[in-house]
Amino acid sequence: AQSVTQLDSQVPVFEEAPVELRCNYSSSVSVYLFWYVQYPNQGLQLLLKYLSGSTLVKGINGFEAEFNKSQTSFHLRKPSVHISDTAEYFCAVTQGGSNYKLTFGKGTLLTVNP
Amino acid sequence: GAVVSQHPSRVICKSGTSVKIECRSLDFQATTMFWYRQFPKQSLMLMATSNEGSKATYEQGVEKDKFLINHASLTLSTLTVTSAHPEDSSFYICSAPPDRVGGYTFGSGTRLTVV
Repeated sequence: AQSVTQLDSQVPVFEEAPVELRCNYSSSVSVYLFWYVQYPNQGLQLLLKYLSGSTLVKGINGFEAEFNKSQTSFHLRKPSVHISDTAEYFCAVTQGGSNYKLTFGKGTLLTVNP
Repeated sequence: GAVVSQHPSRVICKSGTSVKIECRSLDFQATTMFWYRQFPKQSLMLMATSNEGSKATYEQGVEKDKFLINHASLTLSTLTVTSAHPEDSSFYICSAPPDRVGGYTFGSGTRLTVV
C-alpha cells in the first residue's frame, strides 16, 4: 500500500520569503509523485510531477521539488512567494502501471502575508 | 491539453432528494474516471473508479447504493448521490486517468450542500 504524509497542515510566511512544503511517502514499489495546488472551491492544478530522470523537478509558478529516494521525500520549494500563492497544496503518489490510483496527503495550507 | 468538464459547480438540494454530477472529457476518450470526495479542510479521498461498459469499482467503506456511478460513454461519467443527507455535503471531484506523460486531469469540482 502507498501513503503520503504532509508534515505541516499550515505554513504561514511573509511575501517574498522562501518556503518549503514537506512531503514524505511510503511505498513498497517505485512511485510517481505529484504536487497539486487548490484554490478555494476549485479543482486541482498540477504544479509539477516526478516520473523518472532528474530528481530536481521544476514546475509552474516558480515551484520546484526534489525527489529523494533514500529519505522517501518530495519536498516542494519556492525561493520567493507571492500573495497569490496562498492556497492549499497537496502531495500525491501513485505506483503507476496498472494501478494508477492517486493517493493524496492531507494538504498544507500556505498563507502568504504581506 | 486535456480538459475534464464537471457540472454543476455548485448545487444545493433538500434532504432526501438525489443529485447527479457529470464529468465529461472534452477532447479525449476516457475508459475510466476517478471520483473523489473532499471534506472541508481535508484531503481528497478516492470513492470509486467508473469503467466504461462495466460496473464501477468502489473503495472500501463507500456505499454503492448511495453513490451511483455510471460511465455511459467514453466521454461521460456520472455520480448520483441518492437520498442525500446533510452529511453528504462535500466537495466532489472527478479525474481522468493519467495521459502518456503521466498527467492527471481533474474536473473543477462540485460543491454539494444538502439542507
